[in-house]
Amino acid sequence: QVTLKESGPGILQPSQTLSLTCTFSGFSLSTYGMGVGWIRQPSGKGLEWLANIWWDDDKYYNPSLKNRLTISKDTSNNQAFLKITNVDTADTATYYCARISQGHFDYWGQGVMVTVSS
Amino acid sequence: QITLTQQAESLWISPGERVSITCRASQSLLYTDGKHYLSWYQQRPGQTTKALIYHASVRTDGVPTRFIGSGSGTEFTLSIEHVQPEDFAIYYCLQTLKSPLTFGSGTKLEIK
Repeated sequence: QVTLKESGPGILQPSQTLSLTCTFSGFSLSTYGMGVGWIRQPSGKGLEWLANIWWDDDKYYNPSLKNRLTISKDTSNNQAFLKITNVDTADTATYYCARISQGHFDYWGQGVMVTVSS
Repeated sequence: QITLTQQAESLWISPGERVSITCRASQSLLYTDGKHYLSWYQQRPGQTTKALIYHASVRTDGVPTRFIGSGSGTEFTLSIEHVQPEDFAIYYCLQTLKSPLTFGSGTKLEIK
């Protein structure tokens, strides 16, 4: 059974760094072809893809966030991470992690709400 | 980047009816392996986002057969036959052919 769960700080101030963790079970990020992605969704709005990391440590980022994103993984502990630097109120959203398999996000976490406020 | 357009922001239908949700891509989503990298997702309040269809027409494990994905090239459709009460939700398409991955803006299925 595949499950994913996101965790994060809940609230942070503008200019701080947002650190998110995705803890998963039911698969391994060392398995060929496997990946984990991060997606976010401001309240009442649509989905925005942020980044993917693959079993071979290949990484892809959404260029709209310029160089603010860093994705990483800890294969032995079944975790993936996302850091967003220099946050502002536009980064307020629910953040999801999802497994990538066969070219799509087949399992999603429940999401973690993050608020950026001074 | 590839833009996905879901023309209908909302669709009003009655339970039991058939509905089609369309997604148009700004360029072909066909890869050299012969597969289209277009998938569909369902969001319901309080529920985990659910994958319904991948490679344009393949149902994800456990997805009811009333969900049908079709299309090719740049035009794709998610059809739901005999809509059930639990199908009233928001539906998004996603392309994973090229980075950056992009989602459609979503179509909300509402009860008439």
